[in-house]
Amino acid sequence: GAGVSQTPSNKVTEKGKYVELRCDPISGHTALYWYRQSLGQGPEFLIYFQGTGAADDSGLPNDRFFAVRPEGSVSTLKIQRTERGDSAVYLCASSRGGGSYNEQFFGPGTRLTVL
Amino acid sequence: AQRVTQPEKLLSVFKGAPVELKCNYSYSGSPELFWYVQYSRQRLQLLLRHISRESIKGFTADLNKGETSFHLKKPFAQEEDSAMYYCALLDRGGYNKLIFGAGTRLAVHP
Repeated sequence: GAGVSQTPSNKVTEKGKYVELRCDPISGHTALYWYRQSLGQGPEFLIYFQGTGAADDSGLPNDRFFAVRPEGSVSTLKIQRTERGDSAVYLCASSRGGGSYNEQFFGPGTRLTVL
Repeated sequence: AQRVTQPEKLLSVFKGAPVELKCNYSYSGSPELFWYVQYSRQRLQLLLRHISRESIKGFTADLNKGETSFHLKKPFAQEEDSAMYYCALLDRGGYNKLIFGAGTRLAVHP
């Protein structure tokens, strides 16, 4: 079956521009996570959706970052006024959700480069 | 603070040698730990989780609460084991988000 997909795979933008990164989770997975992986680091949590609502956005670094999941499936991570420090690989993961831990399946990531 | 530490950025061994990838954690509750692996040009995937107490691809990891460690071991490394390995801690209080270490690159030479 299809895994988590993310588009685009690479995005190069200029400082100050707006970008949108898309995540298509595995069908039927209600939980969706965004992580950011900077060079030489492990993934760091950004935001978690259970269904359509953002249950935990404590990892978003500042108010330039925003994410939506309007129909409980596809999610879009939006970054306004991009800065060079936003350059990283943005990972999306989905899981069945629920109370106990369900394995998180990761997408291939979007590599964002801010010039 | 909840944290995962992987002290080695790179571990280089020869084929057939034993491997131990170190992981230490800091967590206030009862920890649940995982090892994730990322092979070249592939996505991050779960290798094993401590509660399963299983061996995957010859790898095992034992949770040592006294030493707050969850080291990944394999008695005889294979070239196909070359990859990035990430230790991760489950934050149950935080909707099951994962807290990752910085990763260790394992290079197995012929």
